[in-house]
Amino acid sequence: AQSVTQLDSQVPVFEEAPVELRCNYSSSVSVYLFWYVQYPNQGLQLLLKYLSGSTLVKGINGFEAEFNKSQTSFHLRKPSVHISDTAEYFCAVNYIGGTSYGKLTFGQGTILTVHP
Amino acid sequence: DADVTQTPRNRITKTGKRIMLECSQTKGHDRMYWYRQDPGLGLRLIYYSFDVKDINKGEISDGYSVSRQAQAKFSLSLESAIPNQTALYFCATSEGQGRHEQFFGPGTRLTVL
Repeated sequence: AQSVTQLDSQVPVFEEAPVELRCNYSSSVSVYLFWYVQYPNQGLQLLLKYLSGSTLVKGINGFEAEFNKSQTSFHLRKPSVHISDTAEYFCAVNYIGGTSYGKLTFGQGTILTVHP
Repeated sequence: DADVTQTPRNRITKTGKRIMLECSQTKGHDRMYWYRQDPGLGLRLIYYSFDVKDINKGEISDGYSVSRQAQAKFSLSLESAIPNQTALYFCATSEGQGRHEQFFGPGTRLTVL
């Protein structure tokens, strides 16, 4: 079965420090890749997505992610975090083709806590 | 007004009770989804519907059923609730192709005692 692994369940960081949230997926087939953010007591909202083209994708709130096909990874980065970035972040993969197409497989989530 | 709404937002029920969670959307999307979120497990797909006449089981459909009453409405039912169905439930919608993002409702927090 296809799977998505977020390598860190919790990431604490100080304000203005850089952060990287890691995501790996299980298959080398073609994929669409997404990062979502969930603020406390809210639903998920899209941060960014990779569909094709440039492997470096820029999203909202200063986040970016890099698609690495050979390593089947899609890590999320931000050069300088703010307190307001405290949230849970989810990586999601749409495996193109076959019975999984059109459905998202989510990682377990990474809780980012930004300390003053 | 929110594009994807869920009712109720919070619900406490007892083991064995039937409960329905409702989802409505104004985005005009054909595809709708139900997920549950558990700490440390991320979101897992319960059921999905690619149009009104197309309903499919997801990875954890046991104990759940759904109804797609119209393009805009997709309901999730627990016929006989059990405590391990205590979770946060999300409805989502998307356009027709997999390259499109999903839009999520605010969630329903369900507690089964």
